[in-house]
Amino acid sequence: DVVMTQTPPSLSVAIGQSVSISCKSSQSLVYSDGKTYLHWLLQSPGRSPKRLIYQVSNLGSGVPDRFSGTGSQKDFTLKISRVEAEDLGVYYCAQTTHFPRTFGGGTKLELK
Amino acid sequence: EVQLVESGGGLVQPGRSMKLSCAASGFTFSNYGMAWVRQAPTKGLEWVATISYDGSSTYYRDSVKGRFTISRDNAKSTLYLQMNSLRSEDTATYYCTRDSWFAYWGQGTLVTVSS
Repeated sequence: DVVMTQTPPSLSVAIGQSVSISCKSSQSLVYSDGKTYLHWLLQSPGRSPKRLIYQVSNLGSGVPDRFSGTGSQKDFTLKISRVEAEDLGVYYCAQTTHFPRTFGGGTKLELK
Repeated sequence: EVQLVESGGGLVQPGRSMKLSCAASGFTFSNYGMAWVRQAPTKGLEWVATISYDGSSTYYRDSVKGRFTISRDNAKSTLYLQMNSLRSEDTATYYCTRDSWFAYWGQGTLVTVSS
């Protein structure tokens, strides 16, 4: 199975601060079609997960451009510029290149 | 607007069965692979199973193989998860989602396996 390692497990931030979350996979996430199926999700408190970014760097519909994703192969990063209160919650990276699909352990973003 | 609405959860005794449903709307259901993902209380997300757009291919995590069956009815735009021989470790909120990109998620349905 592809192991997804997310760091840090938690982040304490002030509104307006910028933060980065790392996600490393145990295998390359490049599929046979040449695309990389690495995605970022946010689960706000008491809510279902919501996809923010798909295929490494593509912003989901309605997602603010304060969010950005970068990376390749096995090493990926989510950056949030100018954190707002609505950004708080648990962030997950997820891969759908391989079966079984796997998720990172999550990064909890909290207010300082 | 895309909507995924799960139903069928509740309290069930160990060893018994339960069937979850997910009603989809707002997109052409028969064009997309679908998946079930679960989340145990206070834990992270865990993929359970995926079914291809036409139902011809299915995939399961090892811990549910032989016990769970994912299926779909494209005429009804509905996804199913038949869960047999339930165990306490299957206790979780079960979400349906579009596979490949995890683009949309339902509100989830809670399954509690306990005597």
